[in-house]
Amino acid sequence: EAEVAQSPRYKITEKSQAVAFWCDPISGHATLYWYRQILGQGPELLVQFQDESVVDDSQLPKDRFSAERLKGVDSTLKIQPAELGDSAMYLCASSPLGQGGETQYFGPGTRLLVL
Amino acid sequence: KQEVTQIPAALSVPEGENLVLNCSFTDSAIYNLQWFRQDPGKGLTSLLLIQSSQREQTSGRLNASLDKSSGRSTLYIAASQPGDSATYLCAVIPAGNMLTFGGGTRLMVKP
Repeated sequence: EAEVAQSPRYKITEKSQAVAFWCDPISGHATLYWYRQILGQGPELLVQFQDESVVDDSQLPKDRFSAERLKGVDSTLKIQPAELGDSAMYLCASSPLGQGGETQYFGPGTRLLVL
Repeated sequence: KQEVTQIPAALSVPEGENLVLNCSFTDSAIYNLQWFRQDPGKGLTSLLLIQSSQREQTSGRLNASLDKSSGRSTLYIAASQPGDSATYLCAVIPAGNMLTFGGGTRLMVKP
């Protein structure tokens, strides 16, 4: 069964350092999402891509976060510089078309700890 | 702005009990509602997707209902098992397909 892949699974970094996360969606899925989940809370959408274009990044802290999906397939989320409050689980999801009501398929996540 | 609330935040039950998890949302203009399961430190697994035109969905021991007019959904788990221990998240889906999640219910089923 096709799955969303994410790496690394765990990342420990010091504040002010740069970190990057990678996501490979299910093959053929046009829509890719990055979520941030703080411990004990539900995930919050950071950015949504439709193919290589950003559909919504209104919740992305653009002073330190950036995301790209250059060829409309895999995607990278970067944080520079990392802050203590960025410690969270970063989840990637994909869906076939990005149409209303589609099921989103989630990857295993990257757990980030900023020291 | 859509707000999603899940009650209770945590629940501990003995094995074999039937239980109900609650999800409420403030804006009834939703497209669908989805229930997820999340094991500790892991990603999300989709359990049930209820379309706005539906009242409920069933999968095995799970049954989810949706009442858009009152802004509520419930997830019913029959004959709970220790393997059901996890966090259960509900998410509402507007027409734009951007999920808004509740805070989750952490379920512990004791043998």
